[in-house]
Amino acid sequence: QSVLTQSPSPSGTPGQTVTISCSGSSSNIGANAVNWYQQVPGAAPRLLISGATQRPSGVPDRFSGSKSGTSASLAISGLQSEDEADYYCAAWDDNLNGYVFGAGTKVTVL
Amino acid sequence: QAQLLQSGAEVKKPGSSVKVSCKASGGTLNSYAISWVRQAPGHGLEWMGGLITIFGPAKYGQKFQGRVTITADEPTNTAYMELTSLRSDDTAVYYCARIQGASVFYNLGLDVWGQGTMVTVS
Repeated sequence: QSVLTQSPSPSGTPGQTVTISCSGSSSNIGANAVNWYQQVPGAAPRLLISGATQRPSGVPDRFSGSKSGTSASLAISGLQSEDEADYYCAAWDDNLNGYVFGAGTKVTVL
Repeated sequence: QAQLLQSGAEVKKPGSSVKVSCKASGGTLNSYAISWVRQAPGHGLEWMGGLITIFGPAKYGQKFQGRVTITADEPTNTAYMELTSLRSDDTAVYYCARIQGASVFYNLGLDVWGQGTMVTVS
């Protein structure tokens, strides 16, 4: 059971917007930056969002992150077929003195 | 462009140890800031620990304390993860990843990942 709780797996048609939420506590999201990772089947994870809102070079601006208090969200706008993947939130946890991942959320493109 | 190349798949007996390597190319290990993450079949990502040499010894996840050792060899630009007392539930893909900016609290995330090493304990 992860200390970061992710919302259930959403689905959408191409062009729609889907949102994934990640709920934590004052010792992780409330105190430290949130990162988001994308993992397509059979591949290594890819950093999608760092510091809650920053997109690394090469990440389309369809992906956006936000954070408020002890929760964070990842929005995918203009959904595309290649966005079908698992998405993980992660943050440092001061109580556990370690980096924690959410359980992951699978996005399905219909 | 920095890349991380991991050693090949391993099959181990219960009770034995495994040591996985992670060699950086096209750049340095960013002051040797490397984290190890594993993923059991059909499961999510699990942080095992990380090493930022300029800030001292490695930190390990509570679940792995006493069983995992993360080291880095500066001359060869290679990091290692050794896991001992292997059990069947250690069967997983093990990834190394660079801690961007050598950020102590991983604020900038893990920006470069190795291809993964499958370790089967059977």
